[in-house]
Amino acid sequence: SQTIHQWPATLVQPVGSPLSLECTVEGTSNPNLYWYRQAAGRGLQLLFYSVGIGQISSEVPQNLSASRPQDRQFILSSKKLLLSDSGFYLCALELDRGLYGYTFGSGTRLTVV
Amino acid sequence: GQQLNQSPQSMFIQEGEDVSMNCTSSSIFNTWLWYKQDPGEGPVLLIALYKAGELTSNGRLTAQFGITRKDSFLNISASIPSDVGIYFCAGKAAGNKLTFGGGTRVLVKP
Repeated sequence: SQTIHQWPATLVQPVGSPLSLECTVEGTSNPNLYWYRQAAGRGLQLLFYSVGIGQISSEVPQNLSASRPQDRQFILSSKKLLLSDSGFYLCALELDRGLYGYTFGSGTRLTVV
Repeated sequence: GQQLNQSPQSMFIQEGEDVSMNCTSSSIFNTWLWYKQDPGEGPVLLIALYKAGELTSNGRLTAQFGITRKDSFLNISASIPSDVGIYFCAGKAAGNKLTFGGGTRVLVKP
């Protein structure tokens, strides 16, 4: 069965520091992968999606970037964090052309101080 | 682009009550999905709907795919404290990414 892993679960970073969040999947190949951000108690904002290695589409202009160095690895990065980057970051996996929607990771709670 | 309006934004439940929430879209979807997110966790799929008019249940949850293909609702019967969380609808048109509603936050009445 397909699984999706995200780490770390929580992160506190100072303003101006770099960021790297990792998402890996198991049990599938060539999945579509997504990064979402969620402000406290709010909806899901799509940040990036990837349909394959090296292929990244950005949904909103922002201080973040994404990379897909391997088929089952999706990384969210920033060179210099802003306070507004705080939030709950979710990685999602799409299987079967989305027939069953997305499977989400357990998320990373990022607090920029 | 596609937009999903989910309502209500939040609601209070009392144990034993039936509650409902709905989503409406500005465009047609081929698939409707309902997710639940517990605090500090990622959303988990509850129900998937694939055909207009389809009514599907999962335990105390029932969801319907609207006839117009532009709306869906989710009912929770006999609510219990663990029903609290954020419920998201999501719609998908062929070849497109999922579009999520803004979520309905379910809280327990004090």
